[in-house]
Amino acid sequence: EADIYQTPRYLVIGTGKKITLECSQTMGHDKMYWYQQDPGMELHLIHYSYGVNSTEKGDLSSESTVSRIRTEHFPLTLESARPSHTSQYLCASSRRGRQGNQPQHFGDGTRLSIL
Amino acid sequence: RKEVEQDPGPFNVPEGATVAFNCTYSNSASQSFFWYRQDCRKEPKLLMSVYSSGNEDGRFTAQLNRASQYISLLIRDSKLSDSATYLCVVTSSNSGYALNFGKGTSLLVTP
Repeated sequence: EADIYQTPRYLVIGTGKKITLECSQTMGHDKMYWYQQDPGMELHLIHYSYGVNSTEKGDLSSESTVSRIRTEHFPLTLESARPSHTSQYLCASSRRGRQGNQPQHFGDGTRLSIL
Repeated sequence: RKEVEQDPGPFNVPEGATVAFNCTYSNSASQSFFWYRQDCRKEPKLLMSVYSSGNEDGRFTAQLNRASQYISLLIRDSKLSDSATYLCVVTSSNSGYALNFGKGTSLLVTP
C-alpha cells in the first residue's frame, strides 16, 4: 500500500471560512498532485509540484492555492470557501522517472462540503 | 475534444464473461499509459501500466496501439469483485507528466 495520507477525510464547513486540506507522503516522492472529482465525474488536475518550492496550476482552474515547502507535504488552501468548492479532493504522488512513466499513488481523498 | 475518451458504459456482464474496454487519446506525443480502477466513492488505484508490446497480469491484458492512438483492457473470467469504474490514463510532457484521466468505464459483473 502507498503511504500517502490526507486529512481530514470529511469536512463540512460554512461559507467564507479558510480551509487547508493536508496531504503527506512518506515515500520521498518528488512529484505531488491535487485532483478534484465530483460524484460520477472524471478527475481534474488542479495543482501539481515537481519538488520543493515548485508549484504549477493544472488543467482545471481553481481558486485554491498550494505550497511545497517540504518534500513530503503538499497542502491545499481555500482562502474563502464557497458552495461551488464542494467536491472530493484527491492528492497523489509519484517518483520522478524517465519520460514521466511513473504511476501515481493516491490518498483516500477529502470530501468537502461547503454550506 | 477531450484528451482521453472512454465509453462510459455501463457494461453489465455475467460472472465468467470476457469484457473489453477501449480508450482513445488525442495527443500523439503522449508518453505513458495506465489503467486505474476506482471503486465507488474511493480513490483511484493503479491496475496496470500499458507497455508498447502489450502486457498481461493474470486475467487482465492491456494493449497499446500508438498508430491509432488507442489503449485497450481485456478482462477474462470476470469476477463479481471486478465491478468498478476503469479509468484510462495518459501522461504527456506538456502537462508536467500529470495524469490525464478519461471519465471511466463502469463495469458491473452480475452473478
